[in-house]
Amino acid sequence: AQSVAQPEDQVNVAEGNPLTVKCTYSVSGNPYLFWYVQYPNRGLQFLLKYITGDNLVKGSYGFEAEFNKSQTSFHLKKPSALVSDSALYFCAVRDGGAGNMLTFGGGTRLMVKP
Amino acid sequence: DAGVTQSPTHLIKTRGQQVTLRCSPKSGHDTVSWYQQALGQGPQFIFQYYEEEERQRGNFPDRFSGHQFPNYSSELNVNALLLGDSALYLCASSIYRQDNYGYTFGSGTRLTVV
Repeated sequence: AQSVAQPEDQVNVAEGNPLTVKCTYSVSGNPYLFWYVQYPNRGLQFLLKYITGDNLVKGSYGFEAEFNKSQTSFHLKKPSALVSDSALYFCAVRDGGAGNMLTFGGGTRLMVKP
Repeated sequence: DAGVTQSPTHLIKTRGQQVTLRCSPKSGHDTVSWYQQALGQGPQFIFQYYEEEERQRGNFPDRFSGHQFPNYSSELNVNALLLGDSALYLCASSIYRQDNYGYTFGSGTRLTVV
């Protein structure tokens, strides 16, 4: 079975400061990891993914994430937060050897204050 | 290039009724997956269709069924609706077994069961 944990329901950060949204995962095979963002009453928008290769993955809107195999983590980061980054963020994992099902974490609400 | 299109955007049904939700995948994609997102939670995988067959199924009862058409579009049917079926239903399209292309999500159908 595969699972994802997002330990923080909400992260508050001031505009211009760096932000981190945490994610840990569990899969039996090779992890394929994803971050999505959701704005109110909208679907999921893709931010970035890790399949293989460099542990630091760069994505849309200045976001990046670091894959850490030993800690089974895939934290989302951004050097300088914008008010417009305020949204709901989901981490997801797929077992690379077993089907296409994505398993999502419960989500973290990011609040960026001016 | 159209992304994933879902219809309708909103729907209100009475307990015990049946509902059909529709999804057109992104151009070039051949696989459709359905997810249920209850309020305040992450999306949960319902099932995936490829070549008009259900390829993988999550932990949902048989009241949830689907279909994929030759043009790759898909329907999600839910029978004997319960209040707990109220959720945002998301459709995601992808290319079967082509992991690097990722998943594209639609904006969802908001189902309210009263």
